[in-house]
Amino acid sequence: DAGVTQSPTHLIKTRGQQVTLRCSPKSGHDTVSWYQQALGQGPQFIFQYYEEEERQRGNFPDRFSGHQFPNYSSELNVNALLLGDSALYLCASSTSSGSYEQYFGPGTRLTVT
Amino acid sequence: KQEVTQIPAALSVPEGENLVLNCSFTDSAIYNLQWFRQDPGKGLTSLLLIQSSQREQTSGRLNASLDKSSGRSTLYIAASQPGDSATYLCGGTSGSRLTFGEGTQLTVNP
Repeated sequence: DAGVTQSPTHLIKTRGQQVTLRCSPKSGHDTVSWYQQALGQGPQFIFQYYEEEERQRGNFPDRFSGHQFPNYSSELNVNALLLGDSALYLCASSTSSGSYEQYFGPGTRLTVT
Repeated sequence: KQEVTQIPAALSVPEGENLVLNCSFTDSAIYNLQWFRQDPGKGLTSLLLIQSSQREQTSGRLNASLDKSSGRSTLYIAASQPGDSATYLCGGTSGSRLTFGEGTQLTVNP
């Protein structure tokens, strides 16, 4: 079992650009959540996808959007990047039934210059 | 709105010491509580999950308790080792989303 995987590992972008981050959930999981973690802080919930629909959303602007594919993998898109978007982006997967225990990937480190 | 607080923010102990990390949350309607470990620049590793109907969970030298009525959880680490040095995060699940504290940075000195 490969667990949750994310790509790329690191990314450097310029202000105003757009970025796409990718996540493959743990085998058997159908729900994907995305979190943003600024340096020295706890992760902040961005949104969650289930059955290819955004099910919940945290307090993030519309510049942050996502998608879930039929194989349950997911993408996070961020438009019009700001310096403040620099962070570790974490993907977590879980099942829609049971304990809702979330398993995290290694993250994508995004640096906006 | 769920808010999670972790105390202390940082902790430095000698090897072999037993220690307790604290987590408090404001919304007692949490579905479960998870404790995670995070090494610098890495993702989160799940340590223990306590469902709302449970009071505690144990895994090796780790024991976590949950008191929903007081809005508190503790993580007990027995016989700490230098390899335990990391940031420990607690997260409460409400409506299937996790709300995290800012973590406790633990350093275990040999």
